[in-house]
Amino acid sequence: KAGVTQTPRYLIKTRGQQVTLSCSPISGHRSVSWYQQTPGQGLQFLFEYFSETQRNKGNFPGRFSGRQFSNSRSEMNVSTLELGDSALYLCASRGTDYGYTFGSGTRLTVV
Amino acid sequence: GIQVEQSPPDLILQEGANSTLRCNFSDSVNNLQWFHQNPWGQLINLFYIPSGTKQNGRLSATTVATERYSLLYISSSQTTDSGVYFCAVATGNQFYFGTGTSLTVIP
Repeated sequence: KAGVTQTPRYLIKTRGQQVTLSCSPISGHRSVSWYQQTPGQGLQFLFEYFSETQRNKGNFPGRFSGRQFSNSRSEMNVSTLELGDSALYLCASRGTDYGYTFGSGTRLTVV
Repeated sequence: GIQVEQSPPDLILQEGANSTLRCNFSDSVNNLQWFHQNPWGQLINLFYIPSGTKQNGRLSATTVATERYSLLYISSSQTTDSGVYFCAVATGNQFYFGTGTSLTVIP
């Protein structure tokens, strides 16, 4: 069965721009979470969606937002990009009775 | 949030050696997973182990939930085991990650 798919794999953006990242969970999984990984801060939780509703949100500014569609695919958006937003963004999906499965990530570079 | 501490932070092994990685956490959890991050950044799930012991080939893990720690054992290490190992715990729907153990296996 297909895993968690994140697109694009790599992205280069300029400061001030906005970006949208996509995550398709494992078929049948309704929970999708997003994490940011940076060398300085490690892996940090952004938010979690379940059945199109945000259930939990980490400590990130309002420039970071997300949504989930009826087919469980999720997008996250970062507006007014800053250099510090350069990171690996990881998405994870979860079914009803097992742990989380992560995608390959999107590596965002802000220049 | 929950504090997760992993030790050691760095580990260098000769191929064929055994190792134990430790994860301590500060509160009760309903989920604990061990991940290996590959060179491309993907977190590969090794074990879903909120309690008890599991084994998968050369890897095994034990979580003692009442004492708030988990151990990952790697036996007969191979160069392909190199990388960063993360412990992550969850209460509810949010993972808290440790800072990882960076393992280097030398031929």
